[in-house]
Amino acid sequence: NAGVTQTPKFRILKIGQSMTLQCTQDMNHNYMYWYRQDPGMGLKLIYYSVGAGITDKGEVPNGYNVSRSTTEDFPLRLELAAPSQTSVYFCASSRSSYEQYFGPGTRLTVT
Amino acid sequence: RKEVEQDPGPFNVPEGATVAFNCTYSNSASQSFFWYRQDCRKEPKLLMSVYSSGNEDGRFTAQLNRASQYISLLIRDSKLSDSATYLCVVNTGNQFYFGTGTSLTVIP
Repeated sequence: NAGVTQTPKFRILKIGQSMTLQCTQDMNHNYMYWYRQDPGMGLKLIYYSVGAGITDKGEVPNGYNVSRSTTEDFPLRLELAAPSQTSVYFCASSRSSYEQYFGPGTRLTVT
Repeated sequence: RKEVEQDPGPFNVPEGATVAFNCTYSNSASQSFFWYRQDCRKEPKLLMSVYSSGNEDGRFTAQLNRASQYISLLIRDSKLSDSATYLCVVNTGNQFYFGTGTSLTVIP
């Protein structure tokens, strides 16, 4: 099993550009999550999904959108990128309230 | 009030030392509890789940006190490779809440 995979690993965006961060898991987990982690800070939940077709906002959803059309995929869309969105983005999956497994992260810089 | 609070440290300990980390959580309805380890610029990785009866995995022992809403991690015989940030994680409903992490450096 590959576990949780994320692409791209790194990206530099100009202010106002848009992009999609991809996340795929092959563990048949029903729950998936997107977090951001700013330098020296904890993880903050952006969006999560408890199954295909179901998504919900986390602590910091503004400026982001998600969709969950399949169990495996949970892409995160950034619209109109801003410098405040410079961060490391982690995708994770879990089987309900059991432990989460994380992808390797996407390092995003907005300039 | 934060959902999960941890002492950020840093903890700088010599090899072979015993070190303990503590964490408190605010929601008494929280269902499951974990310690994760995060190396610099890497993703968090599960260290161990935490059970009410306490559990041990080699040099690592985790304890949960539901009455006090308190979680602990004890590392015995510290190794250089234990240097990392340790994250306390609590599951409440559909969400996981992370502490900001405790930084550990093991010194030769």
